[in-house]
Amino acid sequence: EVQLLESGGGLVKPGGSLRLSCAASGFTFNYYAMSWVRQAPGKGLEWVSSIDNRGITTYYADSVKGRFTISRDNSNNTLFLQMNSLRAEDTALYYCAKDWRFFDYWGQGALVTVSS
Amino acid sequence: EIALTQSPGTLSLSPGDRATLSCRASQSVSSNYLAWYQHKPGQAPRLLIYGASKRATGIPDRFSGSGSGTDFTLTFSSLEPEDFAVYFCQQYGSSPWTFGQGTKVEIK
Repeated sequence: EVQLLESGGGLVKPGGSLRLSCAASGFTFNYYAMSWVRQAPGKGLEWVSSIDNRGITTYYADSVKGRFTISRDNSNNTLFLQMNSLRAEDTALYYCAKDWRFFDYWGQGALVTVSS
Repeated sequence: EIALTQSPGTLSLSPGDRATLSCRASQSVSSNYLAWYQHKPGQAPRLLIYGASKRATGIPDRFSGSGSGTDFTLTFSSLEPEDFAVYFCQQYGSSPWTFGQGTKVEIK
């Protein structure tokens, strides 16, 4: 059974940093690209970032480019999202999702709140 | 960026009803790369349909997707109690991938 478990969410002040992790199991992690998708309170879903299966090629939404960094550790089946220079508008539930175009499995999300 | 507009915003139906949800794109979706997801509160979203009409693994055949270009539809042949949820579409034909705002299917 595929499982994706996010961690690392929390409350952070504007300008601060946070690192999300996603522990994956139930599939061959290093075969698949992975992604992050977020949902701000009362808003729709927004694709944030994707990374290829080897961790070489990365993609970012314009809204986070230059501030967020996606990475992965294939030896430990873990996906990361390093978030710097956080803004109030980054407040959202962040989902880890398998693959990079459409997402066949999702985690339950990690809540990130950016507030002073 | 392709904007996706879903309608209606909310659909009030009874178990056993047939339902049709719409997703309209602001420009043509390349190769009909359109997916549908089901999302229930507190749960992970679930992929239902990809490629506009292909059912994902384990998805019952009461769910069907259709459409091309800018107009896409998700149809339920007969609603089951577990189908009451929010449904959203996503295009992955043109970067950045974008999502519709969702249609809530609620019990009448």
